[in-house]
Amino acid sequence: AQTVTQSQPEMSVQEAETVTLSCTYDTSESDYYLFWYKQPPSRQMILVIRQEAYKQQNATENRFSVNFQKAAKSFSLKISDSQLGDAAMYFCAYRTPQGGSEKLVFGKGTKLTVNP
Amino acid sequence: NAGVMQNPRHLVRRRGQEARLRCSPMKGHSHVYWYRQLPEEGLKFMVYLQKENIIDESGMPKERFSAEFPKEGPSILRIQQVVRGDSAAYFCASSPGSWVNTEAFFGQGTRLTVV
Repeated sequence: AQTVTQSQPEMSVQEAETVTLSCTYDTSESDYYLFWYKQPPSRQMILVIRQEAYKQQNATENRFSVNFQKAAKSFSLKISDSQLGDAAMYFCAYRTPQGGSEKLVFGKGTKLTVNP
Repeated sequence: NAGVMQNPRHLVRRRGQEARLRCSPMKGHSHVYWYRQLPEEGLKFMVYLQKENIIDESGMPKERFSAEFPKEGPSILRIQQVVRGDSAAYFCASSPGSWVNTEAFFGQGTRLTVV
């Protein structure tokens, strides 16, 4: 079974600085998707960025980028120029179409605090 | 286009009562997923449904929990005879269909408290 591990329960960053959140996963599949979701206090799950495993190029969305290392099964999220609104729980997630199911497997999350 | 709508946002039930959680997927979405989030935990998959069919219920507890997604109306997650351990946030997500190049959109969740 696939597993996702986020080894940093909490992280903090100064406003305008850069922070990197770690994520590793375990799978025997060769094709899959990886995601980072943001969950602010409102509880809404917001998709931050996604990466297709077959793409070697790292995904980027404005201030958010990933470092995808397929051989190492690592998928870290870098947030540049951190803003107060980035404070939230961040979840790394994995998805594979096993038997047609599109279910996501989540890590336990990293709580990000942004200090002014 | 309204997002995924879940209601109620908060639900309080006494032990032994039934809880019904509703999820209306985004317009045009025919796939629904239910996840449970325990305190300080990530979301855990429970069940995946398409209209009138359960596709994958590998994450559902064998007893007391059931889910449906009828031809008309919202998807319902039903928990019978609730216990304290059922207290959690329950999230619904929907997607338009084939997994290739799609993503699931989440509702805001229902926080169930069992007293």
